[in-house]
Amino acid sequence: DAGITQSPRHKVTETGTPVTLRCHQTENHRYMYWYRQDPGHGLRLIHYSYGVKDTDKGEVSDGYSVSRSKTEDFLLTLESATSSQTSVYFCAISSDRDGFGYTFGSGTRLTVV
Amino acid sequence: KQEVTQIPAALSVPEGENLVLNCSFTDSAIYNLQWFRQDPGKGLTSLLLIQSSQREQTSGRLNASLDKSSGRSTLYIAASQPGDSATYLCAIIGGGNDMRFGAGTRLTVKP
Repeated sequence: DAGITQSPRHKVTETGTPVTLRCHQTENHRYMYWYRQDPGHGLRLIHYSYGVKDTDKGEVSDGYSVSRSKTEDFLLTLESATSSQTSVYFCAISSDRDGFGYTFGSGTRLTVV
Repeated sequence: KQEVTQIPAALSVPEGENLVLNCSFTDSAIYNLQWFRQDPGKGLTSLLLIQSSQREQTSGRLNASLDKSSGRSTLYIAASQPGDSATYLCAIIGGGNDMRFGAGTRLTVKP
């Protein structure tokens, strides 16, 4: 999607290993989000950021950490991956908190074996 | 905690039909409601955003309505086309910068 890229697009990792997913934006938006999407659950918010070094937890934050050292990059880390973290992860950006200009990345499919 | 439900989970219609997708939510204290489209293996694309003070929004063949008092929103698609086949998700934007999604309705439009 224009203005937002996620990497990698696909990853297979072993249980217990650390994993970092990257979200990069070129829109200079203040807000960045990490969601996970699982069948039957829709998208659930993991963490979000409202500025450089300003982050907060979402609905399903256990087992995940994030960092934002630059406006354009938002990293999601699984400190010790578990099979329950197998999912599709989406990054999103927005210019305000009311939903306007919400743009999603194409997703990262993570499989933990 | 806001709960968002979408019914039906899947819908199959012949081309040309008008159809309605439903979204219900439990907490009427919302900022906005947004409808998204998701194609297989892709991210979400915003279709319509209805502010809490509005009753409906229209874009082309799409019309979304919002009734906060009853906790319901509908997405109306006129004259459906095979290219409309996708999963449609509604999302509620409430306080605390939180966007809550329904599980989606998977729509198939048959030629």
